[in-house]
Amino acid sequence: AQSVTQLGSHVSVSEGALVLLRCNYSSSVPPYLFWYVQYPNQGLQLLLKYTTGATLVKGINGFEAEFKKSETSFHLTKPSAHMSDAAEYFCAVTVGGSQGNLIFGKGTKLSVKP
Amino acid sequence: EAGVAQSPRYKIIEKRQSVAFWCNPISGHATLYWYQQILGQGPKLLIQFQNNGVVDDSQLPKDRFSAERLKGVDSTLKIQPAKLEDSAVYLCASERGGEAFFGQGTRLTVV
Repeated sequence: AQSVTQLGSHVSVSEGALVLLRCNYSSSVPPYLFWYVQYPNQGLQLLLKYTTGATLVKGINGFEAEFKKSETSFHLTKPSAHMSDAAEYFCAVTVGGSQGNLIFGKGTKLSVKP
Repeated sequence: EAGVAQSPRYKIIEKRQSVAFWCNPISGHATLYWYQQILGQGPKLLIQFQNNGVVDDSQLPKDRFSAERLKGVDSTLKIQPAKLEDSAVYLCASERGGEAFFGQGTRLTVV
């Protein structure tokens, strides 16, 4: 069975600081991994995804994530936080096929201080 | 391109009442999903449709939840009777080309 663990339900950073949101997964088969962002009272928006190939994946809004099989991790980073990055971030996994059939982590709420 | 449309945005009902949610996916998207997102948790898949057929409903509480997608376009999700623990946001998503697009959701409060 697949599962996702997001470390830290809340992360607070200062504007301009590095953003690091942690995600570890469990999967018995090669996983497809995703990061979604959710703004208040909005649906989820895809930030980036890893399926196969290059393990460093670049997404929208300056975010990137690196798939590390040996560590079963897929951490999300952004070099410099912006106030508009404040939102909730969800890591998700699927085993392929339908990329909308997802198992989500519990989410990490990112706050950005001026 | 219009996004995934859901209605209503908010609904408050008493326990044991019934409720229905509606979803209109992005045009041309054959795959449609319903998710339940309880406060403080990530979304959980309830049901997946491919056109008008069910692909995965393993996590749908079938004693009280039902969903249909007639004609392979719009979909409705029904709860009858509702329980307090059904209070959540119900998200609809449609997929094409390996990306799922989510609607804004319907926030259900059961009192």
